[in-house]
Amino acid sequence: DVKVTQSSRYLVKRTGEKVFLECVQDMDHENMFWYRQDPGLGLRLIYFSYDVKMKEKGDIPEGYSVSREKKERFSLILESASTNQTSMYLCASKYGSSSYEQYFGPGTRLTVT
Amino acid sequence: GDSVTQMEGPVTLSEEAFLTINCTYTATGYPSLFWYVQYPGEGLQLLLKATKADDKGSNKGFEATYRKETTSFHLEKGSVQVSDSAVYFCALSDPASGSARQLTFGSGTQLTVLP
Repeated sequence: DVKVTQSSRYLVKRTGEKVFLECVQDMDHENMFWYRQDPGLGLRLIYFSYDVKMKEKGDIPEGYSVSREKKERFSLILESASTNQTSMYLCASKYGSSSYEQYFGPGTRLTVT
Repeated sequence: GDSVTQMEGPVTLSEEAFLTINCTYTATGYPSLFWYVQYPGEGLQLLLKATKADDKGSNKGFEATYRKETTSFHLEKGSVQVSDSAVYFCALSDPASGSARQLTFGSGTQLTVLP
């Protein structure tokens, strides 16, 4: 079974802190994604990566950056956390460039106070 | 751009009731369509998919048919169980928009099934 793991299930940070969310997948997938999930808004794509060191902006990249130094790991960085970044963050991975299934991690519930 | 519209939730049903969750989409080309399910405390997992018009995806008693003429992909189940309580997301992947790798999600529908 494909496994996507995220470093924390719950995280509480203060405004202005730099926050790192880590995601690791074990199936050698080329593509990895970061979404945020908010009630009534569904999932919105923040960034995705289709190869090591490659990244593309999604729909809501402002306030975030990403890093992909190894194929299995994709990090989401909040340079200076703000209260409006309180959300559920979901990582996903996918094989190939066509319409295949994305595999999701369990999510990180981030609260910024 | 591409978009997915789902019926507003939450939906509350009694066990063994019939379920329909409506989903319509707009897309540039001919997308693939998906239903994902998120059980409490978990990430999303694929429930079913359809890749071309008139395809029917099915899994765990759930079904959805890709209707190109009405741009719809409604989720149905004949007899729901308490264990079906979850959030359901409709999604599409549209190669014509240059983003075959990506999914566009609807807002999600919370389903609660009462015993």
